[in-house]
Amino acid sequence: QITLKESGPTLVKPTQTLTLTCTFSGFSLSTNGVGVGWIRQPPGKAPEWLALIYWDDDKGFSPSLKSRLAITKDTSKNQVVLTMTNMDPVDTATYFCAHRFFSGNSDYFDYWGQGTLVTVSS
Amino acid sequence: DIQMTQSPSSLSASVGDRVTITCRASQSIIIYLNWYQQKPGKAPKLLIYAASSLQSGVPSRFSGSGSGTDFTLTISSLQPEDFATYYCQQSYSTSRSFGQGTQVDIK
Repeated sequence: QITLKESGPTLVKPTQTLTLTCTFSGFSLSTNGVGVGWIRQPPGKAPEWLALIYWDDDKGFSPSLKSRLAITKDTSKNQVVLTMTNMDPVDTATYFCAHRFFSGNSDYFDYWGQGTLVTVSS
Repeated sequence: DIQMTQSPSSLSASVGDRVTITCRASQSIIIYLNWYQQKPGKAPKLLIYAASSLQSGVPSRFSGSGSGTDFTLTISSLQPEDFATYYCQQSYSTSRSFGQGTQVDIK
């Protein structure tokens, strides 16, 4: 049974750095092909992919946000941490983490956390 | 970046209707195309992966087709629980991207 859960602040001030933790169970982030991604969704808008970390510690970032993002993993704790610097009110969104499955021509997010709403306001 | 464009943005349909949603990629993504369903306050749920493969546990009234740049999601007979928003997502490039969504509501 794969589960993921996001945790972190619900309110951050403009210019602050956001740190979110994804704690997961039911899989290992050291297994070949596995990854954990972060996706956010502003209220009433479509999901936006942010970042992905792979089993081999390779990483991918949204080109438009790359300069503000960092992603790390702690395999022993089954956690992935996302940091986003210089937060702005437009970054207000629900932030999700998700399990990435890969095999051949199949590459998708099959398990998602419940999401955590982060509001950016002074 | 690969841009994903869905149409229509919204549609109204009745229970039992056949519904088709299209998704177009700005360049070829072969079959690296996934479809998700999202209900209010919930995380997206995977329906279709690799353009046409049905995720385990998803009803067979959902189907996907297409390759290259043009893809479709079809619901053969719309059920009350299918009223939701649907998103396509490409996994061809390192930078994943989603479509803007199609909201399916009750006619």
